[in-house]
Amino acid sequence: EDQVTQSPEALRLQEGESSSLNCSYTVSGLRGLFWYRQDPGKGPEFLFTLYSAGEEKEKERLKATLTKKESFLHITAPKPEDSATYLCAVQARGSGNTGKLIFGQGTTLQVKP
Amino acid sequence: SQTIHQWPATLVQPVGSPLSLECTVEGTSNPNLYWYRQAAGRGLQLLFYSVGIGQISSEVPQNLSASRPQDRQFILSSKKLLLSDSGFYLCAWTSRALSSPLHFGNGTRLTVT
Repeated sequence: EDQVTQSPEALRLQEGESSSLNCSYTVSGLRGLFWYRQDPGKGPEFLFTLYSAGEEKEKERLKATLTKKESFLHITAPKPEDSATYLCAVQARGSGNTGKLIFGQGTTLQVKP
Repeated sequence: SQTIHQWPATLVQPVGSPLSLECTVEGTSNPNLYWYRQAAGRGLQLLFYSVGIGQISSEVPQNLSASRPQDRQFILSSKKLLLSDSGFYLCAWTSRALSSPLHFGNGTRLTVT
């Protein structure tokens, strides 16, 4: 069964304290791994897509990396405005043309000034 | 550019009442459309998806139904709401290109009382 597990569930950081969020996945053929940011009461906002092991993508203070079993979202020198829930999702090759994503439970990040 | 509209933003309904949530997408054609539900502190659960007009696939047995009367319109309905239908409902779209990310609306917070 395709599955996505994110850790930790919650993370509290001081402003400027770098850290990483983990997304472990088991899928019968990975077509793509997606990272989203979700603010309270809002829909998820797309951040990155990673397609193959070794791939990396960056956006401001965020950097996403991918291995064959997991992905990391590295946050460098975070600011309070980075506080949000970060969601990881995978698309399996077996999803055909449906575009379906399987989501993890998310990591809620709080950055204190 | 593409935009997705979802309404209403919040809804409080009594048990046994009907439900209709609407979602429309602008700026694209032939999108795949999705309804997800997010329970408090949990990940996103796919409820329905559609790859074309009148084509609806259900992911989980439940008290809800979906319809796609037009190419860019997706409706989530219920004839009689249950307390367990409370949650945060999100509509999303993606293009037909493989591994395209989902783009979400801002959601509807449904409380069944």
